[in-house]
Amino acid sequence: SQTIHQWPATLVQPVGSPLSLECTVEGTSNPNLYWYRQAAGRGLQLLFYSVGIGQISSEVPQNLSASRPQDRQFILSSKKLLLSDSGFYLCAWRPGEVVQETQYFGPGTRLLVL
Amino acid sequence: AQKITQTQPGMFVQEKEAVTLDCTYDTSDPSYGLFWYKQPSSGEMIFLIYQGSYDQQNATEGRYSLNFQKARKSANLVISASQLGDSAMYFCAMREWLSGSARQLTFGSGTQLTVLP
Repeated sequence: SQTIHQWPATLVQPVGSPLSLECTVEGTSNPNLYWYRQAAGRGLQLLFYSVGIGQISSEVPQNLSASRPQDRQFILSSKKLLLSDSGFYLCAWRPGEVVQETQYFGPGTRLLVL
Repeated sequence: AQKITQTQPGMFVQEKEAVTLDCTYDTSDPSYGLFWYKQPSSGEMIFLIYQGSYDQQNATEGRYSLNFQKARKSANLVISASQLGDSAMYFCAMREWLSGSARQLTFGSGTQLTVLP
């Protein structure tokens, strides 16, 4: 069966510090991968998605970036965090086959920027 | 314009009763998908149910059913026989096309459901 992992689970970082959040998927090949951010009490906002290694599409201009160095690894990064980057970050995957619709989410990372 | 609208910020239901969570959507794409996710306080997003725009019958998954009214562009979630563990935030989402094979999910603002003992 497929599983998705995210770490760290929680993170407190000062403004201006770098960020690296990791997401890995097990039990599948060539998944579509997604990074979402959820502000407190709000819905999810898509940040990045990837259909393959090295292929990243950005949905929202910001100081964040994403990379996919391996088929089942998706990394969210920042060189300098802003206060507004605080939130709950969720990674999701979907099988690469066209017929499969559902996205499955990881446990998330709570980021607090002080 | 909002593509997914959930008009109920909060709902209360008595244990063992049924509850309907509203969701309306806006799209001009003839092919689309609708999803409901549950988010408990732990934060994890749990997939509940999916309805394709061409599906003739309403989707059902155990105690969850989706009341799909295509002409009205609504996709309400019905939870039968509510349990205390159903207390959570519920999100409606719609699949849209993106370049390549990836498909974006657009989420509503959510409904906080509280099940009362």
